[in-house]
Amino acid sequence: DAKTTQPPSMDCAEGRAANLPCNHSTISGNEYVYWYRQIHSQGPQYIIHGLKNNETNEMASLIITEDRKSSTLILPHATLRDTAVYYCIVRGDNTDKLIFGTGTRLQVFP
Amino acid sequence: DAMVIQNPRYQVTQFGKPVTLSCSQTLNHNVMYWYQQKSSQAPKLLFHYYDKDFNNEADTPDNFQSRRPNTSFCFLDIRSPGLGDAAMYLCATSRGTTGNIQYFGAGTRLSVL
Repeated sequence: DAKTTQPPSMDCAEGRAANLPCNHSTISGNEYVYWYRQIHSQGPQYIIHGLKNNETNEMASLIITEDRKSSTLILPHATLRDTAVYYCIVRGDNTDKLIFGTGTRLQVFP
Repeated sequence: DAMVIQNPRYQVTQFGKPVTLSCSQTLNHNVMYWYQQKSSQAPKLLFHYYDKDFNNEADTPDNFQSRRPNTSFCFLDIRSPGLGDAAMYLCATSRGTTGNIQYFGAGTRLSVL
């Protein structure tokens, strides 16, 4: 599985958009980009995933660059409850495994 | 409505004393996973069951075993816990076709005295 690189931490003001970047320059054609988050003392929670098209759901938007070497998770209106560690994971379509990287610790402040 | 339930949430055991952590699910998923997450680290996959087929990660110590008596339940057995096994243990499930979403329980935090 391709490795991912994320900034270790980010801050965001409540109500503003949080844009979390992820680099995955070695991604291959059959690998998806998944995002999970982990709120303190809870299990990870699925947010969104995509292959090459941009995706949006009720939680977030995922923007994948045309060359697929990087992506951005967008939380359009961050709230204090969005404070968590966000994991960007590249996962092949031939595996059930998730390999977690170090993630980005997002702190949303009032 | 918890769908992946881990009991207990906190477990304390003594050095070398066997301990069992449990996980149950109401999703009827055929894949169940166990992860270990040490303090300030990312979750690390220990093993998973695809139906009754057990799949161990290459670097999972022999001290860690698992049982899955039926679709709904999966157990993590630590035969002789060491101080280094203190961690959060996370159970997850997925529907079993590759690329599916994993649903996690809240975890069991294990302390070893």
